[in-house]
Amino acid sequence: DSGVTQTPKHLITATGQRVTLRCSPRSGDLSVYWYQQSLDQGLQFLIQYYNGEERAKGNILERFSAQQFPDLHSELNLSSLELGDSALYFCASSVGASADNEQFFGPGTRLTVL
Amino acid sequence: GENVEQHPSTLSVQEGDSAVIKCTYSDSASNYFPWYKQELGKRPQLIIDIRSNVGEKKDQRIAVTLNKTAKHFSLHITETQPEDSAVYFCAASRGYSTLTFGKGTMLLVSP
Repeated sequence: DSGVTQTPKHLITATGQRVTLRCSPRSGDLSVYWYQQSLDQGLQFLIQYYNGEERAKGNILERFSAQQFPDLHSELNLSSLELGDSALYFCASSVGASADNEQFFGPGTRLTVL
Repeated sequence: GENVEQHPSTLSVQEGDSAVIKCTYSDSASNYFPWYKQELGKRPQLIIDIRSNVGEKKDQRIAVTLNKTAKHFSLHITETQPEDSAVYFCAASRGYSTLTFGKGTMLLVSP
C-alpha cells in the first residue's frame, strides 16, 4: 500500500457523459500527478499540481481538467467522454515539486466508456 | 520535449537467467532516470533510479547503468525469479520537469 488512495476503482459510463476521479495523496506529499495508461500508449502524463497550484501540463485534452484542493486531495474531471477515453487513470504523489522525487502511485481508476 | 524509447516490448527468460531492458532518451539535459515495476493489475512502483552524476547503481539483483554520451540507460536483473514477471517502465526527466515514460517491457520469467 503506497498511502495514495483513489476512488472509484471502476467507472462505467456512456459517451458524452462527465465523470470525476478523486485522489488523496500520501500524508505530507504536496505534489499530485495524474497519468493515463492505455495498452498502446503506456503511461501518459496529464497534469501536475503542487500545493494547490498547477505545476506542469502534459498531454491533457481540453475536455479534461483537474484541481487540487486546500486539503491537497485532487480531482480529475473528464467531460464529453469518448470511447477512446477508456483507460486506467493513475494519480501519484510526491513530497516535492520536481520529478526527481519518488512518485508513489495510487491503485488507479479503470474508466470504461460505452 | 523528451522522448523515451524502450526495448524490447516483451522479454521471456528462464528462471535464473539474466534480463536486460534498454532505454534511450532524446534530451541531453535529462538527469534523472527511474525504473518502475508494474505487476499485473497493480500500481507502478519505483524499483531503482539513477542520476546523471553516476554511471551505475546496484540494489541486490537489480542494477541500472547509464551512458550519458550515447543517451541510453539499461536495467539489469540477475538470477530472475517468477515474481520478477511484470511490466517494467523506464522514465527520464530533467529533475525539475516531469517524467517521460517509455512504453514498457513485459518480462515473463518461466519456472
